[in-house]
Amino acid sequence: GDSVTQMEGPVTLSEEAFLTINCTYTATGYPSLFWYVQYPGEGLQLLLKATKADDKGSNKGFEATYRKETTSFHLEKGSVQVSDSAVYFCALSDDSGAGSYQLTFGKGTKLSVIP
Amino acid sequence: GAVVSQHPSWVICKSGTSVKIECRSLDFQATTMFWYRQFPKQSLMLMATSNEGSKATYEQGVEKDKFLINHASLTLSTLTVTSAHPEDSSFYICSAPTMSESTDTQYFGPGTRLTVL
Repeated sequence: GDSVTQMEGPVTLSEEAFLTINCTYTATGYPSLFWYVQYPGEGLQLLLKATKADDKGSNKGFEATYRKETTSFHLEKGSVQVSDSAVYFCALSDDSGAGSYQLTFGKGTKLSVIP
Repeated sequence: GAVVSQHPSWVICKSGTSVKIECRSLDFQATTMFWYRQFPKQSLMLMATSNEGSKATYEQGVEKDKFLINHASLTLSTLTVTSAHPEDSSFYICSAPTMSESTDTQYFGPGTRLTVL
């Protein structure tokens, strides 16, 4: 079945540091790939997505490129801020039939950014 | 963006009682909603897919008689944990795709923290 593996946390960075959170996946088909973010006390929010190979998703300074050859979708940001402190989930979606897509999540990586 | 709400946000109940959790799409209609369970420091685990007007589809290993799902309308799905036990304590999250966007984009509720004593 489908699976997502992302780097274990927690990750602690100083403000303005460079961030990379690794994510690799296994899937039988051609899934769409996502990064979701969960801020403290809130629900998951879509951060960015890519639907096909070599697509780059970007939002709020975060980027991730769909690499089919390495089955990866690493999340990067050039300069993190304290407000980026959250838990980040890598996920993929596959058509579960009838046009409804189920999401398979990684375990999440907790990021703490200190001033 | 689309908004999904859940009620209650947290609930404490005694062992053996039943608890109902509501998931509502506030500004869009959802023929499908998904129910997840999240354990501490672990990922979200898909429990079931809720379909408006038909039976829910449960993932392997999820007891359908214990976790009753009803998708009563295009904006409401409910999850009832029947005869709850301490091992059912968890964070329950629902999500829904909108009909107007790509079906692989889902909006998540804020979650419901269930504690069974």
